[in-house]
Amino acid sequence: QQQVKQSPQSLIVQKGGISIINCAYENTAFDYFPWYQQFPGKGPALLIAIRPDVSEKKEGRFTISFNKSAKQFSLHIMDSQPGDSATYFCAASLIIQGAQKLVFGQGTRLTINP
Amino acid sequence: KAGVTQTPRYLIKTRGQQVTLSCSPISGHRSVSWYQQTPGQGLQFLFEYFSETQRNKGNFPGRFSGRQFSNSRSEMNVSTLELGDSALYLCASSSPRSGITDTQYFGPGTRLTVL
Repeated sequence: QQQVKQSPQSLIVQKGGISIINCAYENTAFDYFPWYQQFPGKGPALLIAIRPDVSEKKEGRFTISFNKSAKQFSLHIMDSQPGDSATYFCAASLIIQGAQKLVFGQGTRLTINP
Repeated sequence: KAGVTQTPRYLIKTRGQQVTLSCSPISGHRSVSWYQQTPGQGLQFLFEYFSETQRNKGNFPGRFSGRQFSNSRSEMNVSTLELGDSALYLCASSSPRSGITDTQYFGPGTRLTVL
């Protein structure tokens, strides 16, 4: 099963609050879990990524929490700002026939109210 | 380093026509992947090329094809366009190490509208 399930579809958070987006996967062959941020009219840009040998990775206001046994991972945005308003995609990557394949969640449209 | 570039940025075609989209990867990157993004289906993998060889293909009809040149630039072609092909087509490049997954960097995409 190569699906990645992402929730919620949309999220509204007040400025300064914590935004949390969750993802779940089934295939244990996935070995790399990036998060992408996409603004309207732009391509997805890598935000932060994690490998399953660690449970948490933090970069500035962005943190990935990873639960290997539950096959779940989440993105936390601390002190959310209006400039964080964008669509966020989680993804999971694996090697098939020597080539990397990236499977995306359905996306979360995040709105930060000022 | 310059990022991934895609041309053209916008394209309008009519049903039945064919279209070719171009992607120039980040310098030194040899792997190029293509994705289709639509509001209903999200981001879906089309195919991946490495050293001019297609290594992986998603679940798309044969009307979708691609190729990669010796300088790693890639093109994708869609023949006999259908209304449902209207989408943002994204190209991503990476510098894969053998057997190890790595970061893919995306271009701005080509917005294709089929009338």
